Amino acid sequence: GQNIDQPTEMTATEGAIVQINCTYQTSGFNGLFWYQQHAGEAPTFLSYNVLDGLEEKGRFSSFLSRSKGYSYLLLKELQMKDSASYLCAPIDSNYQLIWGAGTKLIIKP
Amino acid sequence: DAMVIQNPRYQVTQFGKPVTLSCSQTLNHNVMYWYQQKSSQAPKLLFHYYDKDFNNEADTPDNFQSRRPNTSFCFLDIRSPGLGDAAMYLCATSRDRWGNEKLFFGSGTQLSVL
Repeated sequence: GQNIDQPTEMTATEGAIVQINCTYQTSGFNGLFWYQQHAGEAPTFLSYNVLDGLEEKGRFSSFLSRSKGYSYLLLKELQMKDSASYLCAPIDSNYQLIWGAGTKLIIKP
Repeated sequence: DAMVIQNPRYQVTQFGKPVTLSCSQTLNHNVMYWYQQKSSQAPKLLFHYYDKDFNNEADTPDNFQSRRPNTSFCFLDIRSPGLGDAAMYLCATSRDRWGNEKLFFGSGTQLSVL
């Protein structure tokens, strides 16, 4: 079967750095997305990785290791507005997104 | 601005009373999706259209139907809503259905069933 594993909830302090991990098992692999979702709102695109390594985009970076079935999202200089859920979504061999339940990130002052 | 628009933002219906949710897009994307998302859960794909080609997920209940009369509009019909259908319904589009085509979401419709 296909499976995504992310921590349910994490807490971090404003200004700090946090890493949200995602491990996945999918039938084939065609890349992996990270989306941000604020409470009661729709997901918004953060990043896409298809090759191994780190992709940096401002305060947010995403890493992928295909051989390990592992990705992480790194958030630097945390701001209160970063309080949201972060969803990991690998793409399987049929080009279907397999969504994780998301990691709820709580930022404290 | 090009976007995905869902109406209404909040919808209340009665148990068993048919309800229709609407989605429109100005992105001219080929693919439109309907997702159901319950609190603290992953979005669940109900169906998608690739142009006029309808693709139903195997585990989508028959109670859920969809229509795409043209490129810009897509509708989700729930024929007889049950209490378990209360959820956020998300419409999304993508330019194509391959590889790294990211999804653009509407703001969602929060459905309550009384």
